[in-house]
Amino acid sequence: DAGVIQSPRHEVTEMGQEVTLRCKPISGHNSLFWYRQTMMRGLELLIYFNNNVPIDDSGMPEDRFSAKMPNASFSTLKIQPSEPRDSAVYFCASSPRTSSSYNEQFFGPGTRLTVL
Amino acid sequence: GDSVTQMEGPVTLSEEAFLTINCTYTATGYPSLFWYVQYPGEGLQLLLKATKADDKGSNKGFEATYRKETTSFHLEKGSVQVSDSAVYFCALSEGSGTYKYIFGTGTRLKVLA
Repeated sequence: DAGVIQSPRHEVTEMGQEVTLRCKPISGHNSLFWYRQTMMRGLELLIYFNNNVPIDDSGMPEDRFSAKMPNASFSTLKIQPSEPRDSAVYFCASSPRTSSSYNEQFFGPGTRLTVL
Repeated sequence: GDSVTQMEGPVTLSEEAFLTINCTYTATGYPSLFWYVQYPGEGLQLLLKATKADDKGSNKGFEATYRKETTSFHLEKGSVQVSDSAVYFCALSEGSGTYKYIFGTGTRLKVLA
């Protein structure tokens, strides 16, 4: 299995521009998570989906952030307009949904976003 | 709400030293507990897990025991190697069908040769 795939791996953009991050979860996984990692705030859950449906978006910082999952094999996280404080590493993770309480999350390599 | 507290880093050890990274949690239910590891430039990987009280998770020489009485899940390794240098995250899963994790802030470990 190829694992969780994220693109791009690095993104440098200017303040005010739109940024779109992409994620392909592991085939057969039903849950997908978007995280943001910064030195100041650590690892923060932004939003998660079950069966392509957003379940909890309480971690999304503000209306500039939006996430979609149009099908089971693709998700996007969009920032519009971007600001320097959005600079971070953004991780996507997927998980197989089972009846067990053990539900390992598999992380992608992350996208390092720099907003100038 | 549920939370995870980890010891502050960085932790710097010499090769073959004993490692302990403390982790405590608060939870209203019966969570599953995890340790994840993040190597430089990579995403997080599951290191070990425990799903109920008194379970011991182990992998690659690392161990952690789910202690309900002390609400702890401390990570230990008897003899660290330079290749263990990474950031370690303690996490809990709320279960109850939410499949949502709560992560600690992470503890950076640096092992010197």
